[in-house]
Amino acid sequence: GAVVSQHPSWVICKSGTSVKIECRSLDFQATTMFWYRQFPKQSLMLMATSNEGSKATYEQGVEKDKFLINHASLTLSTLTVTSAHPEDSSFYICSASNPGPTSYEQYFGPGTRLTVT
Amino acid sequence: AQSVTQLGSHVSVSEGALVLLRCNYSSSVPPYLFWYVQYPNQGLQLLLKYTTGATLVKGINGFEAEFKKSETSFHLTKPSAHMSDAAEYFCAVSDVDDKIIFGKGTRLHILP
Repeated sequence: GAVVSQHPSWVICKSGTSVKIECRSLDFQATTMFWYRQFPKQSLMLMATSNEGSKATYEQGVEKDKFLINHASLTLSTLTVTSAHPEDSSFYICSASNPGPTSYEQYFGPGTRLTVT
Repeated sequence: AQSVTQLGSHVSVSEGALVLLRCNYSSSVPPYLFWYVQYPNQGLQLLLKYTTGATLVKGINGFEAEFKKSETSFHLTKPSAHMSDAAEYFCAVSDVDDKIIFGKGTRLHILP
């Protein structure tokens, strides 16, 4: 149980274009999803928290107009990197939490490798 | 604010030897603590977690960790290392709004 998927697993895009990454909770409803960014050989950096039906809450220093997050349903959140630049190349990981007494536990997706050329 | 410190960005142990990865945390409230493992180009897999109750927590793949409040530590151990244990390990602590704060990670190398 508690499986989270991401699509695509890797994507290459040209500078200036936009790319969308999907995060799905496959066997549970996730009222909250988190988006992280991970640079090579570094830890995960929380970018934003998204709650179903409301605007995402971005961490300090994360450009909300560049990283658009939508949490339209209880099983799907999307991250759109707009006008991508090479410095946006990174490993993006999402996680989802179950509502209720174990909401502190996050279930992680397999990640999406974005390369901007 | 909560924080996590992992001592040693790289740890090398021989196959069959004890694995010890160190983690200290700072938390203003009783913490929930986690250890995750990450293999190259993959997401995070939960090894074990401490919420309440027994301070010695057993996880998957033979790993365990002990919550020591007096030392604010949550070190990860495994009695006998296997080659397949080579990976990146992250210690983490829960924060407000169910956020998770991660340590910087420790790369575990297994020597044949």
